[in-house]
Amino acid sequence: IAGITQAPTSQILAAGRRMTLRCTQDMRHNAMYWYRQDLGLGLRLIHYSNTAGTTGKGEVPDGYSVSRANTDDFPLTLASAVPSQTSVYFCASSPPGLSNQPQHFGDGTRLSIL
Amino acid sequence: AQSVTQLDSHVSVSEGTPVLLRCNYSSSYSPSLFWYVQHPNKGLQLLLKYTSAATLVKGINGFEAEFKKSETSFHLTKPSAHMSDAAEYFCVVSEKKGSQGNLIFGKGTKLSVKP
Repeated sequence: IAGITQAPTSQILAAGRRMTLRCTQDMRHNAMYWYRQDLGLGLRLIHYSNTAGTTGKGEVPDGYSVSRANTDDFPLTLASAVPSQTSVYFCASSPPGLSNQPQHFGDGTRLSIL
Repeated sequence: AQSVTQLDSHVSVSEGTPVLLRCNYSSSYSPSLFWYVQHPNKGLQLLLKYTSAATLVKGINGFEAEFKKSETSFHLTKPSAHMSDAAEYFCVVSEKKGSQGNLIFGKGTKLSVKP
């Protein structure tokens, strides 16, 4: 079934540990995105990638890094996790085009930093 | 810069009654607007989108939204609520960033449907 796969689905992590959230899409979409969702704040963009080999910063990039070695994969890394990074993380992708293309979302990774 | 405001954080309706979820936006040019729905422990699913064609947009599951430029609004409606409509709804405006559009999300409206 075509779509976006995120892993793990949930994780509890000690503060200071390194963690990589995985995201894979099989729709051959050019653009991919990482968001965090926090109660009362909606979704906020962390990083994005318009195409393989390029990345950009979103609204809340601090403490996170991404890479885009190929079209399908867009991992998000927390180099040294802090409790304020406790959140639900969503990966999304969109096909080529301008601003009218909708984004397709994965089911999220629930991350708790203790 | 674009922004979007969802006027109600929580809306409660009875099954079979109309649904109205309100959204206002600000944009410096003709925006693309979307409504997404999120069921518990799930990702976001596209309900409908407006991209400067017809101002009344029909989406999935009987939802529709009307783009009103004079009021800078994009309210979501449904004539008759169903129990399965209980979810959180996000109004979204697209901001062009480089060669791709990035989405600006409202803070969400939680819809409860009473039997």
